[in-house]
Amino acid sequence: KQEVTQIPAALSVPEGENLVLNCSFTDSAIYNLQWFRQDPGKGLTSLLLIQSSQREQTSGRLNASLDKSSGRSTLYIAASQPGDSATYLCAVKDYGGSQGNLIFGKGTKLSVKP
Amino acid sequence: SAVISQKPSRDICQRGTSLTIQCQVDSQVTMMFWYRQQPGQSLTLIATANQGSEATYESGFVIDKFPISRPNLTFSTLTVSNMSPEDSSIYLCSVVADNYNEQFFGPGTRLTVL
Repeated sequence: KQEVTQIPAALSVPEGENLVLNCSFTDSAIYNLQWFRQDPGKGLTSLLLIQSSQREQTSGRLNASLDKSSGRSTLYIAASQPGDSATYLCAVKDYGGSQGNLIFGKGTKLSVKP
Repeated sequence: SAVISQKPSRDICQRGTSLTIQCQVDSQVTMMFWYRQQPGQSLTLIATANQGSEATYESGFVIDKFPISRPNLTFSTLTVSNMSPEDSSIYLCSVVADNYNEQFFGPGTRLTVL
C-alpha cells in the first residue's frame, strides 16, 4: 500500500530565504506526482505536476524534482515571500486503484516571516 | 486547467440532517471525484462520480451515506446523509484534465455538524 510522507511537518523561515520541502513515497511504481498548495480553510491549488518519466518541473520560483528509484521528491522555493505561507501537499498517483485516487502526504506548513 | 466552483462554501448543520454539495466545472470533463479532509488530516478519496452510471466508492464509504449524482459532464452533487459530528470536514470536488492527468480541486465546502 502506497504511503506518502512529508518532512518537516512545519517550517518557519525569514523572508528571502531559499527552502526545500521533502516528500517520500514507499512504492516507486507511480504514474505521476503533484505538488499542491492549501491556504487555511481553502481548497487546493496545483503547483507542479511531474510525470513518472520526468526528473523535474519548474514554475517561476518553484522547482520540483522527482527521483522515482529512491522514492523521493523535493519542492524548492527560491527567495521566499510572506505570501508563500501555506500548507504544501505532495500527492502521488499509482497505476493501480481509482484514476482519481491521489495519495496525499500530511503536508508541510510553511510560515515565511517578514 | 479547469475552474471549479462549489456551493455552499460552508455550512453549519444539525445532527441527523442531510446536506447536498454542488460542484460545477467550466469545461466538460470525464473524471470527477469527491474528497474529504477531516480536521488536521490530509485528503481521502470518497468516490468517483461517473456520468450516466452509479458512482464508484472507495473502501469505507457507502452510497447510502454519500449519494452522488453526475447528470452531465460539467456538474456533480454529493449528499452527506444523516450527519453526525464526525462528518465535520472539508469536502472537495476534483477533476482530472484530459491531457497530462493533472488534477484540479474546487475551493471546498467546510461542513460543521453540531
